[in-house]
Amino acid sequence: KQEVTQIPAALSVPEGENLVLNCSFTDSAIYNLQWFRQDPGKGLTSLLLIQSSQREQTSGRLNASLDKSSGRSTLYIAASQPGDSATYLCAVTQGGSEKLVFGKGTKLTVNP
Amino acid sequence: EAGVTQSPTHLIKTRGQQATLRCSPISGHTSVYWYQQALGLGLQFLLWYDEGEERNRGNFPPRFSGRQFPNYSSELNVNALELEDSALYLCASSRTIFYEQYFGPGTRLTVT
Repeated sequence: KQEVTQIPAALSVPEGENLVLNCSFTDSAIYNLQWFRQDPGKGLTSLLLIQSSQREQTSGRLNASLDKSSGRSTLYIAASQPGDSATYLCAVTQGGSEKLVFGKGTKLTVNP
Repeated sequence: EAGVTQSPTHLIKTRGQQATLRCSPISGHTSVYWYQQALGLGLQFLLWYDEGEERNRGNFPPRFSGRQFPNYSSELNVNALELEDSALYLCASSRTIFYEQYFGPGTRLTVT
C-alpha cells in the first residue's frame, strides 16, 4: 500500500528566504507526482506535475525534483513571499490505478 | 477556459439524511474523481468515473455512490449520513487517464 509522507508538517520562514519542502513515498511504481497548494477551506491548485520519466519541473519561482528510485521529491520555492503562505500537498498516481495518494501536507507561513 | 465547478458550496444535513453533491469538469475532460478531506485525516480517494463508468473506488462504504452523466458531469450521493461524513468533498477532472488532475473549490458538508 502506497504511503506518502511530507516533512516538515509546518514551516515558518521570513520573507525572501529560499526553502525546500520534502515528500517521500514508499512504492516507486508511480506514473507521476503532483504538487498542490491549498489555501484554508479551499480547493487544490495544481503547481507542478512530474512524470515518472522526468527528473524535475520548473514554474516561475518553483522547482520540483523527483528521484523515483529513492522515493523522494522536493519542492524548492525561491525568494518566498507572504502570498506563498498555504498548505503544500504532494500526491502520487499509483501504477495500475488512477487515484492520487496524498501526503498530509506542509503548512507554510511566510512572515513579512 | 472555465475550471472545475462544484455545487453547492456548503451543505448542512442531519444524521440519517441523504446528501447530493455535484461536479462539472473542465470542458474536454472525461475523467472525474471524488476525494474526501476530513479534519485530521488528509485527502482520501473516493471514486473515479471515466466515460460514464465507475472505474475505481476507495475504501469507503457502499452508501457513498455516484454517477457520471453523458456530458461528463458527476454526482456524489451519500446516504444514511453519519457525523463523521462531515468533510470537504473535492472533485477533480482530467483529460484522460494519468493526466494532470485539476480540482474544484469543494463542497463543505456538515452533518449535525
